[in-house]
Amino acid sequence: NAGVTQTPKFQVLKTGQSMTLQCAQDMNHNSMYWYRQDPGMGLRLIYYSASEGTTDKGEVPNGYNVSRLNKREFSLRLESAAPSQTSVYFCASSGETGREQYFGPGTRLTVT
Amino acid sequence: GESVGLHLPTLSVQEGDNSIINCAYSNSASDYFIWYKQESGKGPQFIIDIRSNMDKRQGQRVTVLLNKTVKHLSLQIAATQPGDSAVYFCAETPHQAGTALIFGKGTTLSVSS
Repeated sequence: NAGVTQTPKFQVLKTGQSMTLQCAQDMNHNSMYWYRQDPGMGLRLIYYSASEGTTDKGEVPNGYNVSRLNKREFSLRLESAAPSQTSVYFCASSGETGREQYFGPGTRLTVT
Repeated sequence: GESVGLHLPTLSVQEGDNSIINCAYSNSASDYFIWYKQESGKGPQFIIDIRSNMDKRQGQRVTVLLNKTVKHLSLQIAATQPGDSAVYFCAETPHQAGTALIFGKGTTLSVSS
């Protein structure tokens, strides 16, 4: 039982490049989330998916797209990376209430 | 706008002391308030939550207090240990946002032995 896994762990991109962050969970959770964490800013919600087939914008969705591929997987795509997207990205999943979320280990992304 | 924040960014305590981490919130309509712990290099981990109609909830070595009059939430850690050193975040469930959480900025707890 791996919980929530994220790939890659580290990534360096040049401005304008694209990439997809992968996330998978094996807890049969309906809800999945993408957050970014910047120094002094706490965690900010980018997108979330309350169930397979649905996605909703969070607090900071601009510059990102998501895909809920199936119940297990929820990916985050940066179409044209910008230095402002340098951050640590966390994926999480939860059961129905969303209060107890299980987080992955994070992806540290640097855009130069 | 709606936000969850913390009074102090850092807190230093001695091993064995009791720690109190504070949080102020602005959204009175939130159903639940939650505390998460984030150790260095890891993702946040759920500690405890409290429903908005409660004043106090106890867990193992932790107690969460909710004062709705002044919109204040606190996490008390008894007999703090070096393993408690981490960043602590409060979060809330805004009623209109489904299962999403809004996190505060975090307090770094340092425990010295």
